[in-house]
Formats: sequence, structure tokens, C-alpha cells
Amino acid sequence: SQQGEEDPQALSIQEGENATMNCSYKTSINNLQWYRQNSGRGLVHLILIRSNEREKHSGRLRVTLDTSKKSSSLLITASRAADTASYFCATVSVSSYKLIFGSGTRLLVRP
Amino acid sequence: DTGVSQNPRHKITKRGQNVTFRCDPISEHNRLYWYRQTLGQGPEFLTYFQNEAQLEKSRLLSDRFSAERPKGSFSTLEIQRTEQGDSAMYLCASSGELQETQYFGPGTRLLVL
Repeated sequence: SQQGEEDPQALSIQEGENATMNCSYKTSINNLQWYRQNSGRGLVHLILIRSNEREKHSGRLRVTLDTSKKSSSLLITASRAADTASYFCATVSVSSYKLIFGSGTRLLVRP
Repeated sequence: DTGVSQNPRHKITKRGQNVTFRCDPISEHNRLYWYRQTLGQGPEFLTYFQNEAQLEKSRLLSDRFSAERPKGSFSTLEIQRTEQGDSAMYLCASSGELQETQYFGPGTRLLVL
């Protein structure tokens, strides 16, 4: 079974707008990662945030982590049509290297 | 292209047949993972190798599933006596000794008729 839930399940925005996706998880973690998946393709790693970090940036991506609430958010600024994809958060616990994925957010960026 | 390759990319089989998938990880990576993803869901962990040793298996990995990594390089995932419920995308990923990031292959899409 999956670690947690992502919210919203689907998001439709206009190009140029910001997109925010939220992820909640259940157990203690070592780190949390965000992945992107284009339809029917493999996953691409976007960003990793460790349990002792609160915020991280990479290009147009901003990730926050609140371990007290067991939640994370991914912000994509100035979205582009090419950002259309499914976005998954995944956690790594302190006792295993495996990724435990959320259910994903399907993002549609309208040109 | 992440450098992880999987073959075949697509497989259609009849219920009851055996299928085998192959994963070639990034050459210097010693960790290799298998995941399964059904439509509209996130990937679910199946099993993980460090070099040739299979260190962790999910309860999802029934007796019909077996995975090997004989020389610590490529890996195979075999499903025996396939069932319609086995229809899914099977994803392979690899990571290096000091890396936390996993690099995913394009996946093998299995359809069991």
C-alpha cells in the first residue's frame, strides 16, 4: 500500500500560473523526493529534500517539508505546457532504501 | 534517457503463461529496484538488490514472482502463471552507493489477456 495521499488528484491551470501540489505521509522519513511522469513513461527525479531541511529550490521548483505535520508541497512557478505530467512524492524511511510513493497529482497546463 | 534500460517495452500474454522482463541499470550503480504501477496509481515497491543480493521483498511479491541479479549487473523479473491482475507497468530503477536518487527505466507494460 502507498505511504500517503497527494492533493489535489488533478489540477488544471493556465500557462504562466503557478501550480502547487501537496503530499502527506504516514511514517518517519529519511528524505522525501518528487518525481515527474509523462503519460506512459518512466519517472524522472525532480528534487530531494532531507528530513532536517525545510525548503529547497531547483530552477522553477520549490519544495517545502514539514515533518511535524508529515507533509510536503511542490510549487512549480511560471508553468509551461511542457510541465503537463503526473507528479509523485515518494518517501524513504530511515530503515530502507525503497521509495514509497503517493497516489500522484495529474497536472494539466493549458497553453 | 536516464541510462536505465528495460526490455521488452511491451508484452502481451495469455493468462497462465510465464513472462520474463530484463533491466539493465546504470553500469556503476550497485542498487537495483523493481516497482509495479497500475493505471492511475503511484508505483509500488516489489524488491531491491544490492549487488547480487536480494535484500528486501514486498508482500506484493507472491510466490509466482521471482527476481534475480546473478552477477550484480542486469536483473530479471519473472512472473509465472500470469493472471489478469498482473497487468501493469513494471518499472526498474537503480542508484549508486552514496546516492539517494533512483534513476528509472522506461518500464515494461504487461497486458495479460
